[in-house]
Amino acid sequence: SAVISQKPSRDICQRGTSLTIQCQVDSQVTMMFWYRQQPGQSLTLIATANQGSEATYESGFVIDKFPISRPNLTFSTLTVSNMSPEDSSIYLCSVSDRGGTEAFFGQGTRLTVV
Amino acid sequence: GESVGLHLPTLSVQEGDNSIINCAYSNSASDYFIWYKQESGKGPQFIIDIRSNMDKRQGQRVTVLLNKTVKHLSLQIAATQPGDSAVYFCAETSGGSYIPTFGRGTSLIVHP
Repeated sequence: SAVISQKPSRDICQRGTSLTIQCQVDSQVTMMFWYRQQPGQSLTLIATANQGSEATYESGFVIDKFPISRPNLTFSTLTVSNMSPEDSSIYLCSVSDRGGTEAFFGQGTRLTVV
Repeated sequence: GESVGLHLPTLSVQEGDNSIINCAYSNSASDYFIWYKQESGKGPQFIIDIRSNMDKRQGQRVTVLLNKTVKHLSLQIAATQPGDSAVYFCAETSGGSYIPTFGRGTSLIVHP
């Protein structure tokens, strides 16, 4: 199984600022994803992080708001830009390999925007 | 789309009882199903999976049942322990997709 480290684990940010979340995997993986989990709710996919090219965003999420980088097969970042209180959520990095039959998750970044 | 509603369904059980957590899905093309456990402050953790060509699969203390006719999935936990307290999510994929779609989640509370 893959071991995923996410940083920071939590943060409190002022509205209008941006936060970059890092995801480091202990092995090379094919697929990396970013999810959002709002309080008391399920996980919603933000985007698939593609190595060496632009991320693939899901409906309702745009690159200007959630820019994503993936410079190699073990690392990705998600930036939450121009934050508002509505962005308060848990952001989760996920990786999948072996044909995607099992996904592993980081511990998440709990973001509070004030 | 995202689930609507602020509160997760909750299942409360006594330690030692068996727990059954249910999940309904809507996509008739779904062919792979996964159960995840999410403890407080942690990311979801894979528990067990099942493909659509099966109707039952057993793991250690857990069993997943799939009823494709009514698009229903359940997770049975035998002899539930306080450490099983968590939120449980079902997820499904179709057509070889690598990306699971998550269900709403159920909060399991185990009382000693």
